[in-house]
Amino acid sequence: AQSVTQLGSHVSVSEGALVLLRCNYSSSVPPYLFWYVQYPNQGLQLLLKYTSAATLVKGINGFEAEFKKSETSFHLTKPSAHMSDAAEYFCAVSGIGGGSNYKLTFGKGTLLTVNP
Amino acid sequence: DSGVTQTPKHLITATGQRVTLRCSPRSGDLSVYWYQQSLDQGLQFLIQYYNGEERAKGNILERFSAQQFPDLHSELNLSSLELGDSALYFCASSVDGIYNSPLHFGNGTRLTVT
Repeated sequence: AQSVTQLGSHVSVSEGALVLLRCNYSSSVPPYLFWYVQYPNQGLQLLLKYTSAATLVKGINGFEAEFKKSETSFHLTKPSAHMSDAAEYFCAVSGIGGGSNYKLTFGKGTLLTVNP
Repeated sequence: DSGVTQTPKHLITATGQRVTLRCSPRSGDLSVYWYQQSLDQGLQFLIQYYNGEERAKGNILERFSAQQFPDLHSELNLSSLELGDSALYFCASSVDGIYNSPLHFGNGTRLTVT
């Protein structure tokens, strides 16, 4: 079974400050990890995904995430927050093996607020 | 725009009733997923179809059923509705339905059961 824990249901930063959203995963097999973003009244859209090719993954809108196997983490960062980054962010894990591993397991989400 | 279309956007109904949610996947995508999003449970996977066949099942109640039609659109049927079924229901699609393929989400159907 696989699971995802997002530390902090709400993160607040100032415009221009570093964004750090934390995600730890649990998986019995090598995981595929994703970050999705959900803007108000919209569906989720993919920010980036890790598929073992490189531990540092760059995504859209200046976001990146680093896979650290020793820490079972996949934290999302952005050097400088913009007002338009305000949204809810979801970390998700999927594993190989078939059956229930076909599904993505999402974390509870972290709401990012950006203050002017 | 993800290319995934969900109808209706909003649905208000009474307890005990039955509703059907519809999803058209992104052009070229063969797999459809249904998720339920609520404040207390977060995003819960319900069911996945690939090219008309059920591929994986999650936390879907027996009162709920789904299917994917030959034209690849999908419907989620919710019956004997309860207040606790009020939630956002998302449909997502992917090209091949395998574990490392990104999902493309629709904007959801907000169901309110009164």
